Amino acid sequence: DTGVSQDPRHKITKRGQNVTFRCDPISEHNRLYWYRQTLGQGPEFLTYFQNEAQLEKSRLLSDRFSAERPKGSFSTLEIQRTEQGDSAMYLCASSLDQVPKPNEQFFGPGTRLTVL
Amino acid sequence: GEDVEQSLFLSVREGDSSVINCTYTDSSSTYLYWYKQEPGAGLQLLTYIFSNMDMKQDQRLTVLLNKKDKHLSLRIADTQTGDSAIYFCAESKGGSYIPTFGRGTSLIVHP
Repeated sequence: DTGVSQDPRHKITKRGQNVTFRCDPISEHNRLYWYRQTLGQGPEFLTYFQNEAQLEKSRLLSDRFSAERPKGSFSTLEIQRTEQGDSAMYLCASSLDQVPKPNEQFFGPGTRLTVL
Repeated sequence: GEDVEQSLFLSVREGDSSVINCTYTDSSSTYLYWYKQEPGAGLQLLTYIFSNMDMKQDQRLTVLLNKKDKHLSLRIADTQTGDSAIYFCAESKGGSYIPTFGRGTSLIVHP
């Protein structure tokens, strides 16, 4: 088990471009989460999947953001027409849905996005 | 105000105990968590406590929960320089149990 991995680790793009990030969760985990973290803040929830179903989306997730988890394994997060305000660390986490539910999330190292 | 609040900085001497405090607003919170984030590394879950408990101990870590005051604390005994990191308090509740994080407390351990 190699933990949660994310690719790329860093992305620099120009305003208006589209970017896509990938997350590979821990293999037996059925839940996958995306968070955004800006400097001096804690992670802010964006969306999560249980298997391939996207069950919840935050109001932070504008129409320019889309996430997929087509086969219930890896996930992608795409940001279209990037804006400078999208600059942040994008974190992926996975967990095993269980009862009771302490929701022990395992986080990846993040993708740092810089929009110029 | 914020759902989960923490002080931003704590500085301690190596070998002393560190106490990081957190307050939360939602009385229906069921689980409360402490995460650690080191530079260049992902968040690591340190420990969690169920809301019907008032204390949990795990080696050098002691978590205290005062549900009446909605106050959570993390005590690190014999703090080492390797404990220097940002510590995040988080809470989750029924339904999706997705944690809501505080802004983090930066712990600085000096010799």
